[in-house]
Amino acid sequence: EVQLVESGGGLVQPGRSLRLSCAASGFTFDDYAMHWVRQAPGKGLEWVSGISWNSGSIGYADSVKGRFTISRDNAKNSLYLQMNSLRPEDTALYYCAKDYSSSWLNWFDPWGQGTLVTVSS
Amino acid sequence: SYELTQPLSVSVALGQTARITCGGNNIGRKNVHWYQQKPGQAPVLVIYRDSNRPSGIPERFSGSNSGNTATLTISRAQAGDESDYYCQVWDSSTHVVFGGGTKLTVL
Repeated sequence: EVQLVESGGGLVQPGRSLRLSCAASGFTFDDYAMHWVRQAPGKGLEWVSGISWNSGSIGYADSVKGRFTISRDNAKNSLYLQMNSLRPEDTALYYCAKDYSSSWLNWFDPWGQGTLVTVSS
Repeated sequence: SYELTQPLSVSVALGQTARITCGGNNIGRKNVHWYQQKPGQAPVLVIYRDSNRPSGIPERFSGSNSGNTATLTISRAQAGDESDYYCQVWDSSTHVVFGGGTKLTVL
């Protein structure tokens, strides 16, 4: 069974940093692209970032470009999101999701249960 | 940037057919994917590449895509279908785009 388990969320002050992790199991991690998607409280889904199987291709939403960095460690079956210069509008539930293929151009299946990030003073 | 437009809400009588639309410029030229999200849960893929169902998704769920509108159709709607539904595409300029989501109510 494919499992994605996010961790690293919490309460952080504006301007500070946080690193999210996603532990993957049940599939050959380095065969697939991965994504981060967030959902602010009571709002819709917003794609944050995607990374290809070998980290050779990476994309970011304009809202996080220059502040967030996606990475992966295929040896550890793990995906990461380094979030710097956090803003209150970054407050959201952050989901890790598996792409259909090795490039980050497709659909997401499955999704993890998410980790909550709250940016507030 | 590319945008997807969904109705905020759709209502359907129990056992009837619900149609949720997703509008976008020439969306018919793109692959559209649909997700179901129940309260407090992570999204679940219900349709990929316009009209394909993942394993485990009931045949009552179907999709179509043409021109400027993609449609998710739920036949014989059940109480358990009450959820938020999101469409999604990949665009070369905006990368991954989600629609704003539609809340389906089964009456």
